Amino acid sequence: SQELEQSPQSLIVQEGKNLTINCTSSKTLYGLYWYKQKYGEGLIFLMMLQKGGEEKSHEKITAKLDEKKQQSSLHITASQPSHAGIYLCGADRGDYKLSFGAGTTVTVRA
Amino acid sequence: EAQVTQNPRYLITVTGKKLTVTCSQNMNHEYMSWYRQDPGLGLRQIYYSMNVEVTDKGDVPEGYKVSRKEKRNFPLILESPSPNQTSLYFCASSWDRGGNTEAFFGQGTRLTVV
Repeated sequence: SQELEQSPQSLIVQEGKNLTINCTSSKTLYGLYWYKQKYGEGLIFLMMLQKGGEEKSHEKITAKLDEKKQQSSLHITASQPSHAGIYLCGADRGDYKLSFGAGTTVTVRA
Repeated sequence: EAQVTQNPRYLITVTGKKLTVTCSQNMNHEYMSWYRQDPGLGLRQIYYSMNVEVTDKGDVPEGYKVSRKEKRNFPLILESPSPNQTSLYFCASSWDRGGNTEAFFGQGTRLTVV
């Protein structure tokens, strides 16, 4: 089973609407990061969160790491077609090994 | 331009024919790793390297080999490919393990083993 659970697996949003993706771990996260992937292509780094309660924003994308450092959310405000893709959360497990969630596929409809 | 370069981008091969996927980074990163991505399973780490001549197994190392003779290169070797190794492969590099620093990913290699 996945060490990182992402929800939802996929979502369709109307252009201009907001959306939220969640990433949950059963263990404390040492570092949590979000990547975006266009289908079949490489991953593009979005944000990295390390401290409980930390929140970062870049353009219309905001990511938060909860106080207990076991869950993170990615929120997109006023979605645009350029936001379509697969969003993956990744985490440092503390043993030089990295885990990724299965990804959330976002479709933005005009 | 800072980048991770994988070659080839696409490869179709037959069962049992040895192949190598190359990975090179130009950022002087110490940490490099290989992942495979399969539908519904996300990215799974195959091998990683913390520095030259230092490599270790990830979560799914069976059927793969790696080497790190130079800091910039981290090739992935499939000695005897099998159809269950058909997948999308990514190489990544970073200054440190991913939890502390941003990881840069290559564009991916789509491998089909028939």
